[in-house]
Amino acid sequence: GQQLNQSPQSMFIQEGEDVSMNCTSSSIFNTWLWYKQEPGEGPVLLIALYKAGELTSNGRLTAQFGITRKDSFLNISASIPSDVGIYFCAGGPGGSQGNLIFGKGTKLSVKP
Amino acid sequence: DADVTQTPRNRITKTGKRIMLECSQTKGHDRMYWYRQDPGLGLRLIYYSFDVKDINKGEISDGYSVSRQAQAKFSLSLESAIPNQTALYFCATSLGGGQPQHFGDGTRLSIL
Repeated sequence: GQQLNQSPQSMFIQEGEDVSMNCTSSSIFNTWLWYKQEPGEGPVLLIALYKAGELTSNGRLTAQFGITRKDSFLNISASIPSDVGIYFCAGGPGGSQGNLIFGKGTKLSVKP
Repeated sequence: DADVTQTPRNRITKTGKRIMLECSQTKGHDRMYWYRQDPGLGLRLIYYSFDVKDINKGEISDGYSVSRQAQAKFSLSLESAIPNQTALYFCATSLGGGQPQHFGDGTRLSIL
């Protein structure tokens, strides 16, 4: 079945640094989504991308839908302690029956 | 997401017991999902439902069953719990395939 490779698995950074993570696949997706999960909570949608090449920002977060439709990245600028959590990418295959495919997540730790 | 409510939030039980996890939503979405989350393995799909009359197995359905009692309610059952079913369980909803999924806050299940 379709799989997503999300990297890195974990990151330890200093407050103020920029962060970059990405997801790649051998399959084409029609939708790319980025979620954040904080301890004790469910994943929350951060950014949704629906078109190849699309670049979308949400505050300090920027995500792009790769032009090949097989990848996406998420950047966080000037990280702060509350950015801590697990970030998941998800790809939406084509067709009305397709379910989202989730990456295994990137665990972000921010040192004040 | 307060629109997707899971009960209970935490449960500790013994091997062999029957357990039901419940999910209700006020988003009016037709599609509902049950996922299991284990450290390092991301979100794995157990079952999903496109509407009240449509139930489908996900990648790890063995040992689980579901019931879609109404558009707003989707419950997950473990008929005879075993320790390797100890995990965090999430319910999610969406408008359609490939569309963003909205998650509840999860049920932490421990089986002794």
